[in-house]
Amino acid sequence: DAGITQSPRYKITETGRQVTLMCHQTWSHSYMFWYRQDLGHGLRLIYYSAAADITDKGEVPDGYVVSRSKTENFPLTLESATRSQTSVYFCASSRYRDGGTDTQYFGPGTRLTVL
Amino acid sequence: KQEVTQIPAALSVPEGENLVLNCSFTDSAIYNLQWFRQDPGKGLTSLLLIQSSQREQTSGRLNASLDKSSGRSTLYIAASQPGDSATYLCAVGTSGSRLTFGEGTQLTVNP
Repeated sequence: DAGITQSPRYKITETGRQVTLMCHQTWSHSYMFWYRQDLGHGLRLIYYSAAADITDKGEVPDGYVVSRSKTENFPLTLESATRSQTSVYFCASSRYRDGGTDTQYFGPGTRLTVL
Repeated sequence: KQEVTQIPAALSVPEGENLVLNCSFTDSAIYNLQWFRQDPGKGLTSLLLIQSSQREQTSGRLNASLDKSSGRSTLYIAASQPGDSATYLCAVGTSGSRLTFGEGTQLTVNP
């Protein structure tokens, strides 16, 4: 089915471990985004990508790494997980729109717990 | 830095009531403004997108307005239903297709 999917949906890991969250979209959207959602902070942008091999930092990029070798995939890696990275992570995608943003479509989220 | 504020943080109303959710933003240089709905444990669903050149958008019982000069948007929900219970998020679109989100209004519609 077409859409945007995230895996895993739930993940428990330990401090210091590397974790990769996967995001896949079937619309061939140019833009993809990673957000984290925390109580008291709302949704904050971690990284985004305008196209394959083009990525840029968002508001809270420290401790995260992204890559985008294919248009449809945008994995997010926590190189050495910390407790402060316990959060719900959302991936989103949108079409390119000249002069600004288009509607963003969100995945179901990954709930990550770092012990 | 763009900041987005949503008031109230929570709202509880009886079924059938018309209601208004408010969103304000600090920088009027925006490309668009979007309203999303989030159900518990789920992702966000886009409800309405208003381009910066527009004043309002409507979809069914929902109407969103935008006043760039005053840095405000409202989401009007007519004849509310229990199924409307969710968190409603306002997000402002800026350069590079980025969105800045408010913290949301948690709406409960009581039967």
